[in-house]
Amino acid sequence: DAGITQSPRYKITETGRQVTLMCHQTWSHSYMFWYRQDLGHGLRLIYYSAAADITDKGEVSDGYVVSRSKTENFPLTLESATRSQTSVYFCASSPAGGPDTGELFFGEGSRLTVL
Amino acid sequence: AQRVTQPEKLLSVFKGAPVELKCNYSYSGSPELFWYVQYSRQRLQLLLRHISRESIKGFTADLNKGETSFHLKKPFAQEEDSAMYYCALRTGTASKLTFGTGTRLQVTL
Repeated sequence: DAGITQSPRYKITETGRQVTLMCHQTWSHSYMFWYRQDLGHGLRLIYYSAAADITDKGEVSDGYVVSRSKTENFPLTLESATRSQTSVYFCASSPAGGPDTGELFFGEGSRLTVL
Repeated sequence: AQRVTQPEKLLSVFKGAPVELKCNYSYSGSPELFWYVQYSRQRLQLLLRHISRESIKGFTADLNKGETSFHLKKPFAQEEDSAMYYCALRTGTASKLTFGTGTRLQVTL
């Protein structure tokens, strides 16, 4: 039972490079999310997706791109990394509707450092 | 726009003392509130949600619409309660949550 997995767990890159963080879930959850966690800011939503091929911006989407060609995958790409994007990134998923709506299941996080 | 405020970055209490983690929200509609917890080296996970009106690990939280608050309480803190706690607000039909900045609870002997 793998659940939701993120890769890589740790990444160091340089300013201007493109970086892709991967997220894979095995539950067939409709919703998937990317959050970043920063001291003093808590968790902020970057992008979310309600289903395959449906994505929408969160509150801090500038500089990020997502895609969702398959239900189980939701990669996050930093097109040209900046130091301000140094953060811990969390992927999460959630089933649609029903009593579990609102419960997010989180990955272990990907710690990204941009030098 | 919706907002969640957790005024305390760190709350330090002695084992056996009562705990109250504060959470206030702003939202013009009908809110759904949650508490999430992140223990050391573990994933962020749901602790409780207001619609369930349940007690989890001795924690309870009551939604007070008049004061727009959803404070998390426990009568007697345990060492294993030490963790990072996030209050979250769900608005709309999606599972999208707005999180507060988090409060680190430190329970000492």
